[in-house]
Formats: sequence, structure tokens, C-alpha cells
Amino acid sequence: QKEVEQDPGPLSVPEGAIVSLNCTYSNSAFQYFMWYRQYSRKGPELLMYTYSSGNKEDGRFTAQVDKSSKYISLFIRDSQPSDSATYLCATLRTGGFKTIFGAGTRLFVKA
Amino acid sequence: EPEVTQTPSHQVTQMGQEVILRCVPISNHLYFYWYRQILGQKVEFLVSFYNNEISEKSEIFDDQFSVERPDGSNFTLKIRSTKLEDSAMYFCASSDRETYEQYFGPGTRLTVT
Repeated sequence: QKEVEQDPGPLSVPEGAIVSLNCTYSNSAFQYFMWYRQYSRKGPELLMYTYSSGNKEDGRFTAQVDKSSKYISLFIRDSQPSDSATYLCATLRTGGFKTIFGAGTRLFVKA
Repeated sequence: EPEVTQTPSHQVTQMGQEVILRCVPISNHLYFYWYRQILGQKVEFLVSFYNNEISEKSEIFDDQFSVERPDGSNFTLKIRSTKLEDSAMYFCASSDRETYEQYFGPGTRLTVT
């Protein structure tokens, strides 16, 4: 079983739509959950992180973690063409250094 | 805004040759990392480095790989005898004490022919 599973998409939405991106993970030891954005041929850029379960909001982005179902979500409100990128979920155990990434979901926001 | 830089942006080498990939982490960061991403695949952890020693490494990071912080600013990844399957983007990252908040460089594309 993969440690972090993420649907690679692609996901295509019209401008202004609400986008929902999701991952599942297998290891209960993971306590930190991150979302990165990666543009083509660039390095991953940290968008948000959450610790344990719960929600975290930052502008148009909301990250959600449900540890009971081992499910991670990122919601993007009022999506813009500039949001078009690959979104990577990632996890880390407390005290660990090894970030485990999902495969990434390619998102296209059409103007 | 401080950022992680990497050189070169693209390196072409022949199989069996040694390569050194260079990174300048964010200046006040304490933890340094190397990841790789084979084309079309996920980002994979290679190694983390803290206080001048390896703190964690993956099964990918075998004896052909080594890391070094030769001075106060650079962090290097050496691949001793490159193989075709080493062709990938190599990303350097750094973090402060919060290891979940890693900042990535733009990557070095390594092509082994």
C-alpha cells in the first residue's frame, strides 16, 4: 500500500469554481500534512501545513485533515487561471525529516 | 524574500561520471534536504542533513550518493558513478526548526547519457 495516494488528474474547472483536491495516507504516525504547488519544471512551493486533524484557512485556500479516515483535502475558492499547476499533498511524522509526497494532481483553471 | 538557489540548472553527464550538484540554502536555516523527481513521477526524499551529519536517508540514498556542507553557505550532493536511471530533477530544500516547513530550490535537471 502506498504511503500517500493522490489522484493525478488532470482536473479541469472553469474560472471561479471551487476546487477540491484530495489525498489518503496509510501511516497513523503522520502528524503533519502539507500542500505544495508546483509549476512546470519548478520546485515545489509550500502553500499550507496543518498539524493533526482540523481545518486551516489562508485566503482562498482551506486545508482539511480527517485523521479518523486518513483523508487530506485542499479547497480552493474562486479559482483563477493562475492557480493552474500541480498540487502535491505531503506528510511528515512528528520529529521526522522525510517528507512523503503524493503523486500530485494537475489542475487547469480555464478563463 | 530569501530563497534556496541551486546550480547548475541543467547538467549533462556521461554514465559512470561523477557529478556534484550545488545548493545555497536560506541563510538562517538549520536543516537541509535533497529530493529527486524522475520525469512524470512523484517527488522522492533522498536525505536530510543537520548539524553536519545525515539525520535521515531513504533507501534510494545508497553508497554512490554523498552530501556535504563544505562551508557556511553551500550544501552539495555528489553522485559518484552516475547511471542512466539517475536522470531526474534534483531539488534542494531547507528549513528552520519546523521541518514541516521546507522551502525548495528551483532544481537541477540531471541528464545521464
